[in-house]
Amino acid sequence: AQTVTQSQPEMSVQEAETVTLSCTYDTSESNYYLFWYKQPPSRQMILVIRQEAYKQQNATENRFSVNFQKAAKSFSLKISDSQLGDTAMYFCAFMKRTGGGADGLTFGKGTHLIIQP
Amino acid sequence: DSGVTQTPKHLITATGQRVTLRCSPRSGDLSVYWYQQSLDQGLQFLIHYYNGEERAKGNILERFSAQQFPDLHSELNLSSLELGDSALYFCASSARGAGYNEQFFGPGTRLTVL
Repeated sequence: AQTVTQSQPEMSVQEAETVTLSCTYDTSESNYYLFWYKQPPSRQMILVIRQEAYKQQNATENRFSVNFQKAAKSFSLKISDSQLGDTAMYFCAFMKRTGGGADGLTFGKGTHLIIQP
Repeated sequence: DSGVTQTPKHLITATGQRVTLRCSPRSGDLSVYWYQQSLDQGLQFLIHYYNGEERAKGNILERFSAQQFPDLHSELNLSSLELGDSALYFCASSARGAGYNEQFFGPGTRLTVL
């Protein structure tokens, strides 16, 4: 079984600053995906970014980028030029690549990110 | 809007009762996943159905069961409800094909057990 750990229950930064959310995971799998999901106050789950473990290049999506360190089993999310709309819970998640994702997503406990005006 | 619908949005019931939550996946998606989000347990995977067949079980209690119908909608049945079953229940759907298939989440059903 795999575990996902987010050690920062809450973070607060000023608008326009850069913030990094931490995530570590533990697995014996060699092929897997890692994700960051955003859950705003509406409770909708929104995929922010995805990383394939077999790719060395870190994924980026506009202001969002990851630092994927496979050997260290670390997967942090960097948000640049943070905006008020980035205020949300952020969940790190893991999914095995084998079996076509049959086993679903394993989530961390989440980090509550607050962007201050 | 993810294209995944869940009904009802809110459900309030009493301990010992049984409820059914419904999920309609995105058009064409064959996979449906159920997740529970609670204060105690966080977000956890319950069960996965693909084209009517159970594919994988996660941390689903024996009091809970699910099924997927020929029209691909899915129902999650929760019985002998306890206070601790109060949670937000999500379903997510994905296509089936080679490679990665994103899971699209519905808006969730908020269950309150009194």
